[in-house]
Amino acid sequence: GESVGLHLPTLSVQEGDNSIINCAYSNSASDYFIWYKQESGKGPQFIIDIRSNMDKRQGQRVTVLLNKTVKHLSLQIAATQPGDSAVYFCAENIGGNTPLVFGKGTRLSVIA
Amino acid sequence: DTGVSQDPRHKITKRGQNVTFRCDPISEHNRLYWYRQTLGQGPEFLTYFQNEAQLEKSRLLSDRFSAERPKGSFSTLEIQRTEQGDSAMYLCASSLLNRGSGNEKLFFGSGTQLSVL
Repeated sequence: GESVGLHLPTLSVQEGDNSIINCAYSNSASDYFIWYKQESGKGPQFIIDIRSNMDKRQGQRVTVLLNKTVKHLSLQIAATQPGDSAVYFCAENIGGNTPLVFGKGTRLSVIA
Repeated sequence: DTGVSQDPRHKITKRGQNVTFRCDPISEHNRLYWYRQTLGQGPEFLTYFQNEAQLEKSRLLSDRFSAERPKGSFSTLEIQRTEQGDSAMYLCASSLLNRGSGNEKLFFGSGTQLSVL
């Protein structure tokens, strides 16, 4: 769903389950995407990135999927842990001297 | 800790006062960015530098906002005549522009939380 003001979309998952966080990006010309994790009182922390010539990339416990046809990005977190609780942002870039543009975040709450 | 340092972490000021924030990027990074973040929103781009050159400043919120990076290392962001609407988290990020790959990963500091009373 859309976030309005203070109301971020929230995903609650049980510890040990897999999480899927979705993002609809805005610019069909974007060719580079990053997922960031932001904990309370901290700056965004880089998780994983993907270029537009790929549709999947895996990291440690995380996988990013890119569907350029529908301008959709997802972040999958395997075996979600309490330390994964945070707000997650996707960001897109069209290259050159343009800045990274952030989407609306999703709050992930892990239930122990 | 990403290696990007911001000072101060918190700033409380009265409306009408000037404030200045400092950012020390990762030492080998050639690009430095300033973003603003309000509660419940993603970071919003303000301006950025490549070495000491400010390449984009049209997104600064008003002429009360200015930024410098005089020696291509640390940067300052100044807000003059602060208003209550300036209350937000001000984030600094740095990156190493890799011309070969075109990828540019931004590494963020912990931000300066500004409260204007």
